[in-house]
Amino acid sequence: QTVVTQEPSLTVSPGGTVTLTCASSTGTVTSDCYPNWFQQKPGQAPRSLISRTTNQHPWTPARFSGSLLGGKAALTLSGVQPEDEADYYCLLHCVGGWVFGGGTKLTVL
Amino acid sequence: QVQLVQSGAEMKKPGASVKVSCKTSGYTFIDYGISWVRQAPGQGLEWMAWINTYNGNTNYAQIFRDRVTMTIDTSTSTVHMELRSLRSDDTAVYFCLRDHNFMPDYWGRGTLVTVSS
Repeated sequence: QTVVTQEPSLTVSPGGTVTLTCASSTGTVTSDCYPNWFQQKPGQAPRSLISRTTNQHPWTPARFSGSLLGGKAALTLSGVQPEDEADYYCLLHCVGGWVFGGGTKLTVL
Repeated sequence: QVQLVQSGAEMKKPGASVKVSCKTSGYTFIDYGISWVRQAPGQGLEWMAWINTYNGNTNYAQIFRDRVTMTIDTSTSTVHMELRSLRSDDTAVYFCLRDHNFMPDYWGRGTLVTVSS
């Protein structure tokens, strides 16, 4: 069973930049793993942010961008806003089916 | 507008089955697959299964393969997910999620399933 690993928590100052990463136990994450990123706030359903490594959805704020970085998938937030405080999950399809990462709790402080 | 409307909360006893529905609208039903994802209280997201609404092909996470069945009702653009042999650790919010070509986008609001004796 593939294990997908994210930073458990990160803290960023308002207006700052932060990068969240997503690693796979199967090895290097490539575009063939179709990395997706989601944001979830307390009591809400998740919201899709980035699909297939870099593609934003129509509702995704421009400050969110996806990439591949050092063998991992990455989500970068530039010019962080207080409302970006949330849990962020990556989702990979490297082998077989989809597997979620454990999530990163992002604190804006 | 695209909508995924899920059925209401369920309370079940251990060993029972539950069927959760996801009624879609606002797009061509057979053009998009549907995944099911769950989230136990205070925990992360867990992908369970996916169904191709065009041909009924399915893909299941290994740990759910023996207990989950998905069905399609094209007349109502609805996908149903049945989970059998419920245990207390199946207590979770179950979400449906539209997916096309490895690009999941719209989510349902979730259905709380509580398993308790």
